[in-house]
Amino acid sequence: SAVISQKPSRDICQRGTSLTIQCQVDSQVTMMFWYRQQPGQSLTLIATANQGSEATYESGFVIDKFPISRPNLTFSTLTVSNMSPEDSSIYLCSVMTGGNTEAFFGQGTRLTVV
Amino acid sequence: GQQLNQSPQSMFIQEGEDVSMNCTSSSIFNTWLWYKQDPGEGPVLLIALYKAGELTSNGRLTAQFGITRKDSFLNISASIPSDVGIYFCAGRWDDKIIFGKGTRLHILP
Repeated sequence: SAVISQKPSRDICQRGTSLTIQCQVDSQVTMMFWYRQQPGQSLTLIATANQGSEATYESGFVIDKFPISRPNLTFSTLTVSNMSPEDSSIYLCSVMTGGNTEAFFGQGTRLTVV
Repeated sequence: GQQLNQSPQSMFIQEGEDVSMNCTSSSIFNTWLWYKQDPGEGPVLLIALYKAGELTSNGRLTAQFGITRKDSFLNISASIPSDVGIYFCAGRWDDKIIFGKGTRLHILP
């Protein structure tokens, strides 16, 4: 398994501002992902964070809104840009280990946009 | 795209009862995963299944990877109060994992 730390754990932000969420892993991992979990809902994959190249975004998510960095094999950031109340969600960092068969999650960042 | 149908959506049971939930898909998956999420936390991996027909236990939890590779179930025996939470199935294909909508387990006093 892997130990994943996310910061901040929660934040309340004004609409129109941006928030950057950090994800730190205790070991080098090939695959890192960002998910969104809206209140009472399941997890939706935002993008795969690729080390040394641009992230791969899922349908419905774009780089301008959710820029992602992955400077090395243990760290990634997700920025939620120009926030609106609809962006209020839990954002989760995930890594895949075990020969890329099992996914582990950070504790999440609970974002509220007012 | 790939979709997982997880049922039931919620369950209300008495402490000590057994629980069963399942996931089905129209697509084949290479791996099935079951997670539990407590309030304010990220999902925690309970069981991972890698082969069609595989039956795996983790304490009071038992899960199976369906023969067709399109379904999986999770059973919890003799439920206890700390079993309360949301259980998610997840399927892996290629390098992506998608999640079911979750089963919210409530235990009645």
